[in-house]
Amino acid sequence: DAGVTQSPTHLIKTRGQQVTLRCSPKSGHDTVSWYQQALGQGPQFIFQYYEEEERQRGNFPDRFSGHQFPNYSSELNVNALLLGDSALYLCASSLEERSYTFGSGTRLTVV
Amino acid sequence: GQNIDQPTEMTATEGAIVQINCTYQTSGFNGLFWYQQHAGEAPTFLSYNVLDGLEEKGRFSSFLSRSKGYSYLLLKELQMKDSASYLCAVRRDDYKLSFGAGTTVTVRA
Repeated sequence: DAGVTQSPTHLIKTRGQQVTLRCSPKSGHDTVSWYQQALGQGPQFIFQYYEEEERQRGNFPDRFSGHQFPNYSSELNVNALLLGDSALYLCASSLEERSYTFGSGTRLTVV
Repeated sequence: GQNIDQPTEMTATEGAIVQINCTYQTSGFNGLFWYQQHAGEAPTFLSYNVLDGLEEKGRFSSFLSRSKGYSYLLLKELQMKDSASYLCAVRRDDYKLSFGAGTTVTVRA
């Protein structure tokens, strides 16, 4: 049973650029949440997608946007990258909020 | 918003017991999770509490007191592989899952 798959695993971008991160949820899960985890910190909630709509959003600027596709997979887009956006980006999928399965994350470095 | 507090670091000896406390303040509480995260890896689910009391799962147990805004994760018979970060996370009615900063547990031989 495949868990949550994220791609790419590592990424280096320059300030001002745009990035797209991808997530395939665990089989049977219909909800996808995105988190940003800075080094030594807990994950911070960015937003959650359900039925292809953004259902909830954390305290992140509009530069962070997302999308969910009919097959429940999701993308996280970040525009106008800042050095402070360097972090581990985690995707978690769930079904009816019973439990959350995390992917291994995408390590984004902005230089 | 909500505050979730847990100790930054704890050290224990192999075979011993360690208790990681988590206190939280939130509105619309709808469950508390504990996750384990090894460096560079995904958080993995350990336990879930939504009602008061103790949930036991093998060497790991988790306790919740909603009136006190308090939970703890108990790790028994510590093994070297238990060295990791342990994350307390609170879910609200609006589906937001908020994490504490994590407690780094180091198990020494």
